[in-house]
Amino acid sequence: SAVISQKPSRDICQRGTSLTIQCQVDSQVTMMFWYRQQPGQSLTLIATANQGSEATYESGFVIDKFPISRPNLTFSTLTVSNMSPEDSSIYLCSVEGGRGGNYGYTFGSGTRLTVV
Amino acid sequence: GENVEQHPSTLSVQEGDSAVIKCTYSDSASNYFPWYKQELGKRPQLIIDIRSNVGEKKDQRIAVTLNKTAKHFSLHITETQPEDSAVYFCAASNEDSSYKLIFGSGTRLLVRP
Repeated sequence: SAVISQKPSRDICQRGTSLTIQCQVDSQVTMMFWYRQQPGQSLTLIATANQGSEATYESGFVIDKFPISRPNLTFSTLTVSNMSPEDSSIYLCSVEGGRGGNYGYTFGSGTRLTVV
Repeated sequence: GENVEQHPSTLSVQEGDSAVIKCTYSDSASNYFPWYKQELGKRPQLIIDIRSNVGEKKDQRIAVTLNKTAKHFSLHITETQPEDSAVYFCAASNEDSSYKLIFGSGTRLLVRP
């Protein structure tokens, strides 16, 4: 299965600032996904990062708040913009392991964001 | 869009007993159903998955069953061990279209020694 390097692993940020999270995959993947996991909660899909086109956002998430880049098939970034304490959460990227294979979906190690 | 419901939210069992976690999904087009285990402070790890062309899949002490008609699937863990204690998430996706995984709310499993 794909190996994902996600960074930073954690950060403490001032409200009103922005943080960019990076995910690097060791192989080319078509689909990359960004999730948010609030403390003690499940994983909520933010958006699907598409290579060569704009990301597809889920209900409740907008591009101005969570801009995403996907410049190639191995890399993506998620920016959390104009942060407030409510954005404190764990952010995870995920990739689909390959159609027809048994690799499932793999997750990055997550970015623990605290906004103060 | 897809909605996945998961029950129970917490489950406490004695070591050696079995544990069952159940999920229902809403979108009949969903065809891929993975289960993830998440230990405290770690990323979710895939433990077993099933696709809609089979009804059951086993991997040692873990099994998943799928009822497409009723749109529900279940995780079965036999001979539970303390190291099975974690949060378990079910999920569903449509591998013919969006591929995105929609997660259930999670079950916190505690295995008492």
